[in-house]
Amino acid sequence: AQKITQTQPGMFVQEKEAVTLDCTYDTSDPSYGLFWYKQPSSGEMIFLIYQGSYDQQNATEGRYSLNFQKARKSANLVISASQLGDSAMYFCAMREQNTGNQFYFGTGTSLTVIP
Amino acid sequence: EAQVTQNPRYLITVTGKKLTVTCSQNMNHEYMSWYRQDPGLGLRQIYYSMNVEVTDKGDVPEGYKVSRKEKRNFPLILESPSPNQTSLYFCASSSLRDRLDNEQFFGPGTRLTVL
Repeated sequence: AQKITQTQPGMFVQEKEAVTLDCTYDTSDPSYGLFWYKQPSSGEMIFLIYQGSYDQQNATEGRYSLNFQKARKSANLVISASQLGDSAMYFCAMREQNTGNQFYFGTGTSLTVIP
Repeated sequence: EAQVTQNPRYLITVTGKKLTVTCSQNMNHEYMSWYRQDPGLGLRQIYYSMNVEVTDKGDVPEGYKVSRKEKRNFPLILESPSPNQTSLYFCASSSLRDRLDNEQFFGPGTRLTVL
């Protein structure tokens, strides 16, 4: 079974609008961490936001927030007020406490912001 | 400047010719890892290392070797490359410190083509 599932290969959003990128995960470990990374066309991987399984509140970093629904095992990334520079690939990833050292990435979502 | 460096950035080689991709970090991180990125498959972990002389297989270790003789370096070795190893390779590092929220810092990537 896939550890991380991103079901949206491509998404479009109008500039200044909000967009949600979906991520579901599969783990039986009660302690885990979830990460989102951005990969622009230049290729580098940029860390965006982190959510821990025991965190009581949804993580936020500027225009990025994580809609964490633990019972549904989903960790969707919400980008508010989209900008042209947000056009990129976005990857969801997980690290489990028990394995501790292996990272699992999803297949990514390509986001295009339309002017 | 804190960074992860990889060399070479681009490499075209032929089947069976041994090659090494170097990776170095200057952040004194315990954890280092190699990933390959393929279209539609996201990032898949090849090998990772928790510290010097400690390496473990990720999801796709076949055809690859690694070594961790020094904390800062983690080279990826392809003893006999094959065309199915044509991919974009990323090295990454992070502090362990027994915390789940330690983000990974990624190198710029190495684009490998095996003919």
